Amino acid sequence: AQTVTQSQPEMSVQEAETVTLSCTYDTSENNYYLFWYKQPPSRQMILVIRQEAYKQQNATENRFSVNFQKAAKSFSLKISDSQLGDTAMYFCAFMKQGGTYKYIFGTGTRLKVLA
Amino acid sequence: NAGVTQTPKFQVLKTGQSMTLQCAQDMNHNSMYWYRQDPGMGLRLIYYSASEGTTDKGEVPNGYNVSRLNKREFSLRLESAAPSQTSVYFCASSYTTTSGRKNEQFFGPGTRLTVL
Repeated sequence: AQTVTQSQPEMSVQEAETVTLSCTYDTSENNYYLFWYKQPPSRQMILVIRQEAYKQQNATENRFSVNFQKAAKSFSLKISDSQLGDTAMYFCAFMKQGGTYKYIFGTGTRLKVLA
Repeated sequence: NAGVTQTPKFQVLKTGQSMTLQCAQDMNHNSMYWYRQDPGMGLRLIYYSASEGTTDKGEVPNGYNVSRLNKREFSLRLESAAPSQTSVYFCASSYTTTSGRKNEQFFGPGTRLTVL
């Protein structure tokens, strides 16, 4: 069975600085997908970034980028130039390719951006 | 395009009462999911429907039933609510091809349920 671990329950960062959120996972699968979702106080789950395991290149979306280390089973999220609107819970999710396409979520990291 | 909608947004029940949470999507997605979110636990899958006409148990199905009414709608029913079912419930949908492409899930706004 797959597991996803986010070892940082809470983090804070000063506005305009850079922060990295950690995520590790355990799987015996070779083909899978990894996601970072953001949940602001509004409660809406918003996809931030996704990574296909077969791609060696790390995904980037504007100020958000990942450091995907397949051998180490690590998938960290870097937020550059942090903004107050980045304050939210961040969830890492794993999905194996094929089968039922279910997500396995981590327990989340609460990020607070300080003015 | 409304995306994924859920009703109601908030609900308070007494122990033993029943209710149905409604979910609908207008993105022509084939797969739909129900999650619950509890503090410190992340999101846990209750039930899912890979395609119209099929439903399967997820990680925490006890105390719940689901119906995939048609391609658009997927409801979650609590037959006899218990305080342990106090949670925030999310519905999600995705379009999943056999190759696994376009597989990200889109989430509804959630329902906050309190069982007294």
